Amino acid sequence: DTGVSQDPRHKITKRGQNVTFRCDPISEHNRLYWYRQTLGQGPEFLTYFQNEAQLEKSRLLSDRFSAERPKGSFSTLEIQRTEQGDSAMYLCASSSPGQGNYGYTFGSGTRLTVV
Amino acid sequence: AQSVTQLGSHVSVSEGALVLLRCNYSSSVPPYLFWYVQYPNQGLQLLLKYTSAATLVKGINGFEAEFKKSETSFHLTKPSAHMRDAAEYFCAVSDRSGIGNEKLTFGTGTRLTIIP
Repeated sequence: DTGVSQDPRHKITKRGQNVTFRCDPISEHNRLYWYRQTLGQGPEFLTYFQNEAQLEKSRLLSDRFSAERPKGSFSTLEIQRTEQGDSAMYLCASSSPGQGNYGYTFGSGTRLTVV
Repeated sequence: AQSVTQLGSHVSVSEGALVLLRCNYSSSVPPYLFWYVQYPNQGLQLLLKYTSAATLVKGINGFEAEFKKSETSFHLTKPSAHMRDAAEYFCAVSDRSGIGNEKLTFGTGTRLTIIP
C-alpha cells in the first residue's frame, strides 16, 4: 500500500493552456474522488468514480473540466483553456467499498498556478 | 443539504495547553463527521471520525472529539499541545443515506499555531 499518488505535485501554466493531472489510487480501492481547494478554504467536491463509472459531478465542474478513469484504475483530470480562477490545489482521494463514509485516503495534491 | 461551520479561522495556544477547535454541523439526516489535518503543501490526513458508535471518539496524535446532537457540535480537543500540532484542521460532514452520498462537505478550516 503506497497510498494515493498524484502527479505532478506542482504545475505552472499560462492562461488559456490545457493541463492534465493524474491520480493513482490505492490499488484495492474502487472509489476515487476529486476535490479542489482554493487558498484559505476547505476542499470542495468536484466528482467521483466507482470503478470506471463517473457517478456524480459537482456544478463546480464546468464544461472546461473533464475527468476520466479508464479501466477503473488511475484517473485523470483535464482542464481546458485554463483561467486564473482555476489556480488551486487539486486533491484526489480513494476509498474501498463501504469505506467511503468512514474516511478516505487523500493524496498530497497537485498545486496549479495559472499565470 | 449539509454544512459545517468552524468557529475561529485562527487559534493560538501555548505548548502544553489545551487545544479546542470548534465545529458545528447542519444536516437533515444523521451525519458522519470527520476531522482532518493538513500540513503545508500536503494532502489531508484523517484524525478521527464519528460514525454513530460511541459519541466520544479518539483519534491519532492524542486528539479526540465529542458528538453532541443537542448542540449539533463536534469539537476537537487535545489535552496538551505539541509544536508538531501546528497545522490546518478541517471538520467535514457526510450523510449516511447510502451509495452516491459519500462526498464530504468541509468547513473553511482552522489554522492552529503553537506558541513555544
